[in-house]
Amino acid sequence: EVVLTQSPGTQSLSPGERATLSCRASQSVGSSYLAWYQQKPGQAPRLVIYGASSRATGIPDRFSGSGSGTDFTLTISRLEPEDFAVYYCQLYGTLPHTFGQGTKLEIK
Amino acid sequence: EVHLVQSGAEVKKPGESLKISCKGSGYNFSIYWIGWVRQMPGKGLEWMGIIYPGDSETRYSPSFQGQVTISADKSINTAYLQWGSLKASDTALYYCVRPIDCTSSSCHDYWGQGTLVTVSS
Repeated sequence: EVVLTQSPGTQSLSPGERATLSCRASQSVGSSYLAWYQQKPGQAPRLVIYGASSRATGIPDRFSGSGSGTDFTLTISRLEPEDFAVYYCQLYGTLPHTFGQGTKLEIK
Repeated sequence: EVHLVQSGAEVKKPGESLKISCKGSGYNFSIYWIGWVRQMPGKGLEWMGIIYPGDSETRYSPSFQGQVTISADKSINTAYLQWGSLKASDTALYYCVRPIDCTSSSCHDYWGQGTLVTVSS
């Protein structure tokens, strides 16, 4: 079973700054089936990125995803107040659909 | 429009049994996998398992194998998550989810609103 490790656990940034979130897989997973989710308090997770680099419907272009193999990155180019949330990476191509442990993006 | 509607919050005692549900609408329920995700209070997302309603093929995360049972009734477009004997550590928010699926132009997933299960004596 592939394990996804996200870093950092918490990132403190100010609006307007750039956020870089990392997701590392315990073995190579290609690039086609890596997703990123955003979760705000009291809400279900929202799909942000699928296929490692494709933005989901309605996601602004300040969000971008990259990576392949074992290392993946979610970048938010200029943080808006509504971007502060917890972000999870997930493998979804083969079972189990493992999640990373999450990165909390908080306002500095 | 695709919707997943989950059953309401539950408060149970340790040792009791429970079955929560997730009803799909707006699509052919039989041909899309439905999964379950646990979120313990203040914690992250944990993938529990998944079922294909068409033939009830079911897969579990090793962490949840033997701890819960996932089932589905395609005649009423409903998936279930059940426990035979609840523990306090089963207290969590449980989501059903139709995993990411792609058309020629885009990919989507769909989540239920979550069912809060509280187990306390």
